[in-house]
Amino acid sequence: GQQLNQSPQSMFIQEGEDVSMNCTSSSIFNTWLWYKQDPGEGPVLLIALYKAGELTSNGRLTAQFGITRKDSFLNISASIPSDVGIYFCAGQGGGTSYGKLTFGQGTILTVHP
Amino acid sequence: SQTIHQWPATLVQPVGSPLSLECTVEGTSNPNLYWYRQAAGRGLQLLFYSVGIGQISSEVPQNLSASRPQDRQFILSSKKLLLSDSGFYLCAWSGDPNTEAFFGQGTRLTVV
Repeated sequence: GQQLNQSPQSMFIQEGEDVSMNCTSSSIFNTWLWYKQDPGEGPVLLIALYKAGELTSNGRLTAQFGITRKDSFLNISASIPSDVGIYFCAGQGGGTSYGKLTFGQGTILTVHP
Repeated sequence: SQTIHQWPATLVQPVGSPLSLECTVEGTSNPNLYWYRQAAGRGLQLLFYSVGIGQISSEVPQNLSASRPQDRQFILSSKKLLLSDSGFYLCAWSGDPNTEAFFGQGTRLTVV
C-alpha cells in the first residue's frame, strides 16, 4: 500500500527559530494535508493542499504540494512554545484509495523558551 | 458548522470483555466516516471507513468490527478485547472523497 516517509522524526528548537519538515512518497497523491496533534487529543487540520505546486500559508505556517505530487513540506516561522506537538502529513490518493488518508509517522516538535 | 463527537474519552476494559465506541457527526449529511488507531502517540492506522449507511470497508484484519446504523453514526466494536487492542482510537469524517478529514477527540482504550 501507499506509504509516507516523514522527516525529521523529532526536532528540538529555540523559541523564535524557523522549522521545516517534509513528507515524501513513492506514490502520487491528489491531496496533501498537514495536521497538528496535542497530547491526548485528536489531530487538528492546519493546511490542506489540492493542486501540484500549490503553496499555501496559514499565519506562520506555510506548506507546499510538490510538483511531482509525491512530496510536501511544512514550514513554521518564528516558533513559539505553543507550537509544541506532533505534526503529521497525510495524503489522499484518490482512485481505489477513495477518500482514505495515508499518514506519515509524525514529527515531534519541542520548543524551548 | 460541522462537529464530530466521540465517546467515551477514556476506557479501561478487562481482556475478553466487549467494546463499543460511538462517533456521531452533526451539521452535514452523507459524510465519509473513518476509524483510526494510533499506537504510542505516533502514526495513525486506518481501521475502517464508510461511504454510506451499512457500507463498511476494513483495512486490516483484526479483532474489531465497525457498523454504520445511521447516516451520521459510526460504531467501533469488539466481542472480546485483547491486550493488543489497547491504543488511542480516533473517529474522523470528510465530505467529498478528496477533501480534508476532521477528527474527534479520541478514546484512550486500555485493556487490562
